[in-house]
Formats: sequence, structure tokens, C-alpha cells
Amino acid sequence: DAGVIQSPRHEVTEMGQEVTLRCKPISGHNSLFWYRQTMMRGLELLIYFNNNVPIDDSGMPEDRFSAKMPNASFSTLKIQPSEPRDSAVYFCASSGGSSGANVLTFGAGSRLTVL
Amino acid sequence: GDSVTQMEGPVTLSEEAFLTINCTYTATGYPSLFWYVQYPGEGLQLLLKATKADDKGSNKGFEATYRKETTSFHLEKGSVQVSDSAVYFCAQTNFGNEKLTFGTGTRLTIIP
Repeated sequence: DAGVIQSPRHEVTEMGQEVTLRCKPISGHNSLFWYRQTMMRGLELLIYFNNNVPIDDSGMPEDRFSAKMPNASFSTLKIQPSEPRDSAVYFCASSGGSSGANVLTFGAGSRLTVL
Repeated sequence: GDSVTQMEGPVTLSEEAFLTINCTYTATGYPSLFWYVQYPGEGLQLLLKATKADDKGSNKGFEATYRKETTSFHLEKGSVQVSDSAVYFCAQTNFGNEKLTFGTGTRLTIIP
């Protein structure tokens, strides 16, 4: 298995632009998580899905952030409009299947810089 | 609410030194406990876990024992290597809950 695949790995954009981050979870995993990592706030859970349904989005900062999971093999995290304070590394992780619930496999992350 | 408190970093050690990174938790019920490791430029990887009191998780020479009486899950390694330089995260989750609560991370640097 290729693991959790995230794209893009790096994104530099200007304030006000729309940003879309993408994630392909491990096949057979039924839970998907989006995390944000910054030096100031550490690792924050933004939202997680189970069987493609959003279960907890209490960590989503504000209405500028939205996430979707249209099928078991794809999820997006969208920021519109983006702001400099959104600059961070965004991680997608999945769990379930033979690895068991609660054991997360993380992608390599998408580093976002908003100028 | 549930939380994890881990040792402030950064930690710098010489190669072959003994390592301890402290982690304590606050939880209702009986959580599962985890250590994840993040190497530079990568995502987090599971290092070890323990699901009940007195369980010992181990991997790559690292160990941690689930201590219910002290609500702790300290990470130890007898002889560290330069390749162990990374950020280490303690985490917990409660039964039936898929959300992991992470600590703030401890940056470890090993000097040759």
C-alpha cells in the first residue's frame, strides 16, 4: 500500500485565494482525519469522518474552512478565502481495517503558506 | 476533559545516553495510550501503544508502560542513536472514541 497520499506537498498562495488540499486514505480504512500543525498551537484536529460521514467538525476554525469526503477514497479540505494565519502544515490521517481503530496512519502533509 | 501533558522540550542528548520523555494523562474511563514519532519533513508514525493498565508497549528499542496509579506513560530508551532525533508525541483515546488527543510534542536531538 502506498500509504496516505496528500497533495499538494507545498502550496504558496496569496491572501484571499481559495486553497484546496486533497487526501487519499489507505484502502480499507473507514475513518479519515484532518489535522493542522503550527509551532504556536501544535497539532489540532480539524474534522474527522467515519464511513464518509463527518462525525466531529468542532475543530474547524471558522466558516472559511470546509471539508468533504465524497467517497471512501478521497477527501478535500478547502479554505476560502485564505488568510496568512492559515499558514501551517495540514495532515490527513486514516484508520480502521486491519490496522485497527485508533491507530492512525498519517500522510506526509501539505505545507501551506499564505502571503 | 481528556488531556495529555508531556515533557517540555527541546531535549538534547549525546549518543548512547538514556532517554526518558515524561507523559501524563487525564481521562474519564480507561484510555488507550500511544507514542507517535515525527521525523523531519514527514507525518507522524505510530511508535508504540498500550491499551490497558500495566501493558508495556515496545518498538525499535523504545518502551513505555501504562501506569494507571500515576496516570503516566513515560517513553524510555536505554541507548539513543542519532537517527532517533525527531519530535515525539504522546496521545490518548477513550474506548469507542476514535479521536486522538495529542500532547504538544517533545523535540529530541541526539548529538554524535
